[in-house]
Amino acid sequence: EPEVTQTPSHQVTQMGQEVILRCVPISNHLYFYWYRQILGQKVEFLVSFYNNEISEKSEIFDDQFSVERPDGSNFTLKIRSTKLEDSAMYFCASSIGPYTDTQYFGPGTRLTVL
Amino acid sequence: ELKVEQNPLFLSMQEGKNYTIYCNYSTTSDRLYWYRQDPGKSLESLFVLLSNGAVKQEGRLMASLDTKARLSTLHITAAVHDLSATYFCAVEGDGGGADGLTFGKGTHLIIQP
Repeated sequence: EPEVTQTPSHQVTQMGQEVILRCVPISNHLYFYWYRQILGQKVEFLVSFYNNEISEKSEIFDDQFSVERPDGSNFTLKIRSTKLEDSAMYFCASSIGPYTDTQYFGPGTRLTVL
Repeated sequence: ELKVEQNPLFLSMQEGKNYTIYCNYSTTSDRLYWYRQDPGKSLESLFVLLSNGAVKQEGRLMASLDTKARLSTLHITAAVHDLSATYFCAVEGDGGGADGLTFGKGTHLIIQP
């Protein structure tokens, strides 16, 4: 069964460093998303992406964040200058279409900022 | 601001019992999703409810949606230990485009033998 994959599974970085989290969505899906979950808290929407541009973003997704689909398979989330409060599990998700289609989540990347 | 509230947030129950998790939301959206999350794992889609009165069942779990009351329920019948997990409901925004999901805080469910 097709699934969303994410790398790395765990990333440790120093405050102020740049990190890139990678995702490979399900191949026939057209909509891509990033969410984060701070330990013990709820899942929070960051950004959605369609047709090579951001479709929607939340207040969390400030200028420190960017997304890119550099090729036909990868979908990346970049954090330019990490802060301690960026420590969280980051989930990538994809769906065939918006609205009525299930968003399928990847296994997540645990980001630890020291 | 779209709000999604679940209750209870924590539930400990015995195998064989029935219980219901409630999800209230503040938007007029008629699309609601239920996910399951095991500790340290990702989110697994359980149900997608797309219209008022929608009811879906899978095994011991049944979800329903009342868009007029802005309420969804997840009912557990004759609970078994394997259903222990955190259950999230989520609602899609109504701003158009590929709207992200707004999640509730989750219901941490422990089913004891």
